Amino acid sequence: GESVGLHLPTLSVQEGDNSIINCAYSNSASDYFIWYKQESGKGPQFIIDIRSNMDKRQGQRVTVLLNKTVKHLSLQIAATQPGDSAVYFCAEESNDYKLSFGAGTTVTVRA
Amino acid sequence: DAGVTQSPTHLIKTRGQQVTLRCSPKSGHDTVSWYQQALGQGPQFIFQYYEEEERQRGNFPDRFSGHQFPNYSSELNVNALLLGDSALYLCASSSGTRGADTQYFGPGTRLTVL
Repeated sequence: GESVGLHLPTLSVQEGDNSIINCAYSNSASDYFIWYKQESGKGPQFIIDIRSNMDKRQGQRVTVLLNKTVKHLSLQIAATQPGDSAVYFCAEESNDYKLSFGAGTTVTVRA
Repeated sequence: DAGVTQSPTHLIKTRGQQVTLRCSPKSGHDTVSWYQQALGQGPQFIFQYYEEEERQRGNFPDRFSGHQFPNYSSELNVNALLLGDSALYLCASSSGTRGADTQYFGPGTRLTVL
């Protein structure tokens, strides 16, 4: 699989490999984090979330890791498929109810 | 169970005009948030409505206003349109008395200002 140490705007992945998308958040008071997937011409689609009292959460083929010490969030996608091609956003929410989004990472899956 | 719906899908306006966008939340949700997404960027929070009141507002001018109806649906109004208002406008709904609940997004309204 491919690993992205710093946030990069694009990620190219071979079909079947694992993907890792990184995100740095800014507000240490944020206590809820969400990963969204956005396909062209569509609204963001919920993938997985995690609260600040957790370090890791797993879903179907996806895992989110939270490191509060360095304010870092990552999304791991197992066995990446062509349908995973999209823009991925991390979002943080603090007590003021609004979601603040990261810059987004465009994932392209190579056949 | 219908998700979040928005209308219209696309809209073309000219500078100085006014526009109204509409949103129906996901069934069971009582909170509606609006976001603006410029091309190639992440969504930016405009405001959130809960119990028919604006509960929180992002860094947007007063030209942007909204409303929430008793059935929880919502409208976003933008007055005196500028070219820079061209964007995808997203509505998200959620439930719960506190904001830290998953927000589900609609497909958006693509606004083009000429």
